[in-house]
Amino acid sequence: GNSVTQMEGPVTLSEEAFLTINCTYTATGYPSLFWYVQYPGEGLQLLLKATKADDKGSNKGFEATYRKETTSFHLEKGSVQVSDSAVYFCALSTVDTGRRALTFGSGTRLQVQP
Amino acid sequence: DAGVIQSPRHEVTEMGQEVTLRCKPISGHNSLFWYRQTMMRGLELLIYFNNNVPIDDSGMPEDRFSAKMPNASFSTLKIQPSEPRDSAVYFCASSLGLGTNEKLFFGSGTQLSVL
Repeated sequence: GNSVTQMEGPVTLSEEAFLTINCTYTATGYPSLFWYVQYPGEGLQLLLKATKADDKGSNKGFEATYRKETTSFHLEKGSVQVSDSAVYFCALSTVDTGRRALTFGSGTRLQVQP
Repeated sequence: DAGVIQSPRHEVTEMGQEVTLRCKPISGHNSLFWYRQTMMRGLELLIYFNNNVPIDDSGMPEDRFSAKMPNASFSTLKIQPSEPRDSAVYFCASSLGLGTNEKLFFGSGTQLSVL
């Protein structure tokens, strides 16, 4: 079956520090990969996505590259801000026998201190 | 568009009571999903619909849970009778379709507390 493994949080960083949140996956077929972000008291929002191997998704300074050889989709940002404090979810999406399967990781909480 | 709208935002009820959560998807979206979020289990997909038809309800925990989508603009998730272990945040999400690249739009969730 499909699964997503994320690094456990919380991740605590100072403003302007470099961020990496690791994500690895197991999937049948060729999944699409996503990062969603959840700010306090809100629902999840799509941050970025990649649909095939070696694609790089990017948005708001965040990047992630679809690495098929290592089954990874690590999230990175060069300089975090306090406003980036949130929970980040890695997810994969496949279609199996006509049914869509969207699997989320457990989420990683990021805390950025001024 | 106002996005996915869920109601109520918070619900506090007593064990044994019926609870109904409501969702209005984004207009034009054909697919609707119900998720449950807890600290212990993270995000769990309960059920999803396509064109108002339930496609996969394998995530519904037990018969106490039921979901309906009578039309393209409204869905309900009902728990009867409710139990303390049902306490969680319930999210509704919608998307244009069921393609693997489709982006999900989430509502703000319903925080359910069963005492």
